[in-house]
Amino acid sequence: EAQVTQNPRYLITVTGKKLTVTCSQNMNHEYMSWYRQDPGLGLRQIYYSMNVEVTDKGDVPEGYKVSRKEKRNFPLILESPSPNQTSLYFCASSYRDLREQFFGPGTRLTVL
Amino acid sequence: QKEVEQNSGPLSVPEGAIASLNCTYSDRGSQSFFWYRQYSGKSPELIMSIYSNGDKEDGRFTAQLNKASQYVSLLIRDSQPSDSATYLCAVPRGGFQKLVFGTGTRLLVSP
Repeated sequence: EAQVTQNPRYLITVTGKKLTVTCSQNMNHEYMSWYRQDPGLGLRQIYYSMNVEVTDKGDVPEGYKVSRKEKRNFPLILESPSPNQTSLYFCASSYRDLREQFFGPGTRLTVL
Repeated sequence: QKEVEQNSGPLSVPEGAIASLNCTYSDRGSQSFFWYRQYSGKSPELIMSIYSNGDKEDGRFTAQLNKASQYVSLLIRDSQPSDSATYLCAVPRGGFQKLVFGTGTRLLVSP
């Protein structure tokens, strides 16, 4: 089954404790992206990747890191999480660019 | 002015009616637009994309683009309770690399 998977689905952590949210797709997609969704602010793009080893900032990259060492995986790293990073995070992928993105199920992160 | 603006709603329509969802954008150079549907507690899913002025129809959905007035609309004919969701308008920036979303319009279709 074609899908985008994210792990964990739910995470409660404390300020400053490094964490990684994994994202994996099995569709051989080149384009992958991370978004966060907050009430009243909608979906905002954090980082995106056009292909392996090619990543770039979206609109809200501060406090986040990404890497794209393999085509199927695009992990989101929070090296020192803060409460303002409490949010619902979505990973998405598409064949070549953002035109037909498939979204993962989301990761709800709470930073205390 | 926000890059992409939508009325948050909720927009309430009776079953069988036409639901009209609107989105305005600020960048006159925008060429392409996307409509995503997001059910409560679920992830967004792409339902329509439109790349040129005019209308594009797909089943009960019609996307209308008016570049002169800088708005794009989504019409849902014969609305069903299962159409109740939040509809997100999105506009690419920087070619097809970055995507900017509106905050979404919540649609409620009552039986």
